[in-house]
Formats: sequence, C-alpha cells, structure tokens
Amino acid sequence: GESVGLHLPTLSVQEGDNSIINCAYSNSASDYFIWYKQESGKGPQFIIDIRSNMDKRQGQRVTVLLNKTVKHLSLQIAATQPGDSAVYFCAENPQSYTGANSKLTFGKGITLSVRP
Amino acid sequence: KAGVTQTPRYLIKTRGQQVTLSCSPISGHRSVSWYQQTPGQGLQFLFEYFSETQRNKGNFPGRFSGRQFSNSRSEMNVSTLELGDSALYLCASSLDIGRDQPQHFGDGTRLSIL
Repeated sequence: GESVGLHLPTLSVQEGDNSIINCAYSNSASDYFIWYKQESGKGPQFIIDIRSNMDKRQGQRVTVLLNKTVKHLSLQIAATQPGDSAVYFCAENPQSYTGANSKLTFGKGITLSVRP
Repeated sequence: KAGVTQTPRYLIKTRGQQVTLSCSPISGHRSVSWYQQTPGQGLQFLFEYFSETQRNKGNFPGRFSGRQFSNSRSEMNVSTLELGDSALYLCASSLDIGRDQPQHFGDGTRLSIL
C-alpha cells in the first residue's frame, strides 16, 4: 500500500480546469471498479463506479474511463472546483472463486489540489 | 437517508488493552465490511459480514475479530492492542453481498495506542 497524505502523489490544477486522475490496477480478473474521494477527517465518499463490460461511464461532472487492455482506470473531473480538493482512490473488486464477496482492493491515493 | 454511522469517533487505548468499535450500516444494507487505514499501508480489508456470518477475511492476525447482529449492525474487536494498531478503522456497507455492490463508508473511528 501507499501512504495517505503527505507522501501521496499530488495533482495541482487551476480552478475551472479539467482534472484527470489516473490509476493502474493490478488484477486482470477484476471486473468492478469504484472511485472514492476522501476529505480530511472523513471516510471515503463514493463518486462513481464502472463494470468491466463498459469502457466509459459519466456522472455529474465526472467521467470514468476503463482500459482493460492496459489495466488502466481514469477519473475526469470537469470544471474543477475548490471543493474537489481531496485524496482520490481507485478500488477494484476482483472476481472470487470462493463465493460472493465485496472485498475491495484500494490503489494508491492521489491528492488533488485546486488552485483558486 | 442516514449514512453509515461509526462510534466512537476517537479512542485512546494503551498497549495490551482491548477495544470494541461499532458500526451501523445504511438502513436496508445487509453487508458490512471493515477496513484499516494507515499512512504506511493505505486502506486494507479486514473482513466482511453478511447475514451474521463472516464471508471474507483479510490478512490480519486473529486479534482482530468481528460480528454482525440480526439488524445488520456490526462490531469489530481488537484484543491485546499493539502500537501498530493505531489507525483509522472504517466501516462500509452495501445493499447486498457480492461484486457490483457499491460500498459506502462511514467517517471511521480513529484509534490511538499509547
């Protein structure tokens, strides 16, 4: 795992610009992915999810892209606002042959810093 | 609809003690998972409960245990606390068990071991 906070990679963007946060996942058997946002002192907040039978999904101001060929996930935030400043995590739910489970494996977090 | 509620928010214990953390899932959610978050290891899965049964377990020692009640509320217990157990413990609930189930997190219990 990676550090949360000071040792995380940081993406700095200007308010109003679009942000792109990237994530490389490790398990080729994973078929469900979630992006979370975590603000200081709070738990991870669900942003958007995508299943492996899709390569793109859009929400309000956010778009998730999935490239299974290179095991890459990205989160695009349109018109980034100061309130978007937080740590962002991608999470994967690999297929399990031991039965149904909801276990999530979290990737390295990335700190998004929005400049006014 | 109320979110996932975790109590207490903060806890200070000393080595060797034990602790019990509580989680109330979103109303109607039947699956509860627990995660540990530390600066060094990030977010790591502890275990998952559904229908009062542990369905999946992460790579943590037996000192970490949990249970789920008939109303889906869950508790986790850590015995013989060690300094390395200092962490943010997060509970997440989902409607059902299995893949394709978005998990929604509480704000966690910050556990500090002195």
